[in-house]
Amino acid sequence: QKEVEQDPGPLSVPEGAIVSLNCTYSNSAFQYFMWYRQYSRKGPELLMYTYSSGNKEDGRFTAQVDKSSKYISLFIRDSQPSDSATYLCAMSLGNYGGSQGNLIFGKGTKLSVKP
Amino acid sequence: EAGVTQSPTHLIKTRGQQATLRCSPISGHTSVYWYQQALGLGLQFLLWYDEGEERNRGNFPPRFSGRQFPNYSSELNVNALELEDSALYLCASSLWGRPGTEAFFGQGTRLTVV
Repeated sequence: QKEVEQDPGPLSVPEGAIVSLNCTYSNSAFQYFMWYRQYSRKGPELLMYTYSSGNKEDGRFTAQVDKSSKYISLFIRDSQPSDSATYLCAMSLGNYGGSQGNLIFGKGTKLSVKP
Repeated sequence: EAGVTQSPTHLIKTRGQQATLRCSPISGHTSVYWYQQALGLGLQFLLWYDEGEERNRGNFPPRFSGRQFPNYSSELNVNALELEDSALYLCASSLWGRPGTEAFFGQGTRLTVV
């Protein structure tokens, strides 16, 4: 079982739809959870960062972490064509010995928002 | 404020040669991370440097190495290049004391080995 699992898609939705992106993980020691957006041939851009369980909202984006289920989600409301990109989840152990600073990534979900 | 900058943008090398990739972190960031993004494999952790020291490395052979300079910029060296080293190499930086969090990425160096 991989440490972080993410459905690669592709996911295609109409403009204005609510998008739900998800990752599951196996290591219960993960403490920090992030979502990145990556446009084609560009570096990943940090969208959301959450510590431990709970929800975080930023504009049209909401990140949820359920540590009991080892499941994280990113919701995009009122999706726009400009949201078309690959979305990567990432997580970290934090201050745990030699793994400090090491982000583990999912493979990414490719999203296409159609006008 | 300038973001993470990487050079060169593209690099073409022949199998067996050496490649050197460079990264300048965001001003004030002391931690630099290197990742390899090969087609279909996602981002694989290569190396982490902080305060000039290698703090952790991923599951890559020793021919992948690097260093961090006193100004916190970093260099990734790949020796004895193999065809499967062709990938996008991404550098990220973060503040010291913020382990693995809020890491900001550069645009990457696309390495092609022929």
